[in-house]
Amino acid sequence: EDQVTQSPEALRLQEGESSSLNCSYTVSGLRGLFWYRQDPGKGPEFLFTLYSAGEEKEKERLKATLTKKESFLHITAPKPEDSATYLCAVPSPGGYQKVTFGIGTKLQVIP
Amino acid sequence: DAGITQSPRHKVTETGTPVTLRCHQTENHRYMYWYRQDPGHGLRLIHYSYGVKDTDKGEVSDGYSVSRSKTEDFLLTLESATSSQTSVYFCAISPAGGVEKLFFGSGTQLSVL
Repeated sequence: EDQVTQSPEALRLQEGESSSLNCSYTVSGLRGLFWYRQDPGKGPEFLFTLYSAGEEKEKERLKATLTKKESFLHITAPKPEDSATYLCAVPSPGGYQKVTFGIGTKLQVIP
Repeated sequence: DAGITQSPRHKVTETGTPVTLRCHQTENHRYMYWYRQDPGHGLRLIHYSYGVKDTDKGEVSDGYSVSRSKTEDFLLTLESATSSQTSVYFCAISPAGGVEKLFFGSGTQLSVL
């Protein structure tokens, strides 16, 4: 069964303390990997799509990378406003309309 | 922001009563999805639609039905609500299905007592 596993479940950082979030997947025939940000009480908001191993995408203090087995979301010098839950997701093979989400990593950045 | 409106935003109901949640989009996107989000489970797909009157089941479809009579509206119905259906429900839309990014609504908090 296809699985998307995120770690850690929660992460607490001091402002300016860089770190990485992990998303590992077992789906075969990967057709993209997505990162979303979710603020409390809101729906997820799209951040990045990665399609092939070695690909990288950046947005402000966030950089997403992809290997054949996992993706990392690197957060450089985070600020309190980066506090959120970060979700990764992959399309299910064969049924491209379906998307499987990980449980997410809840990030808290302390001033 | 993508034009997605979910209604109601909050609802409290009793076990055994029918409940309908509405998702309305102004983007004319083909694909629409209903997810539920629970602690420890993340977002799980309930049903999705790939066109007017074209729907299919997701991974947690038991106890739910959907209808899409117009491109802009996707309804989720709990025929007889149970406490296990207490959750936050999100609607999402996409122009090209699961291989493209999803745009999410703000969610409906449903409590079944």
